[in-house]
Amino acid sequence: SQKIEQNSEALNIQEGKTATLTCNYTNYSPAYLQWYRQDPGRGPVFLLLIRENEKEKRKERLKVTFDTTLKQSLFHITASQPADSATYLCALDQDSSASKIIFGSGTRLSIRP
Amino acid sequence: DTEVTQTPKHLVMGMTNKKSLKCEQHMGHRAMYWYKQKAKKPPELMFVYSYEKLSINESVPSRFSPECPNSSLLNLHLHALQPEDSALYLCASSQVAAFQETQYFGPGTRLLVL
Repeated sequence: SQKIEQNSEALNIQEGKTATLTCNYTNYSPAYLQWYRQDPGRGPVFLLLIRENEKEKRKERLKVTFDTTLKQSLFHITASQPADSATYLCALDQDSSASKIIFGSGTRLSIRP
Repeated sequence: DTEVTQTPKHLVMGMTNKKSLKCEQHMGHRAMYWYKQKAKKPPELMFVYSYEKLSINESVPSRFSPECPNSSLLNLHLHALQPEDSALYLCASSQVAAFQETQYFGPGTRLLVL
């Protein structure tokens, strides 16, 4: 089955800088990859989905890349703000049936003023 | 309305109690999900309902019993739980049960088993 690694448990950056979070996966290449934001005590909120044939996707200050050769997705937040502080989760389909989702362990992002 | 609601927000129960968690959505979604999330861990899939039928059970112990009475409602019946079942239980829904569909999560029920 699929395994996902988000290799930074926590990331602390200065307001205004670009935050870059990494998601690596093993085994088969997923057709889609998603990123979610989760605030403490709340459910995850969907941010972006990227397809395997898309190299990059943008939404406002967010950018996601998907490199199927490296088996990696990068998630960027530009001009970061304290309100961006949260845990960010990447998610993949768990197997080729593509109806089960598996989440990475998440990266806790803190933006200091 | 893109909201998934869950009740109760918090629940404390003893190991001999029977309780139920409730989830509701009015987005016309035909897939609904239960997840369990322990502190500082990612959500783990428990059950998937597709068109009101159970399509995925991730080897969840029988002390958790899901029910989908109609396309808007999802229940999780709890019986004889263990303290290690204490967690945040999240409900989600999507248009259909396919990974490329966005899942909308509720705020969760924080469960404590004593």
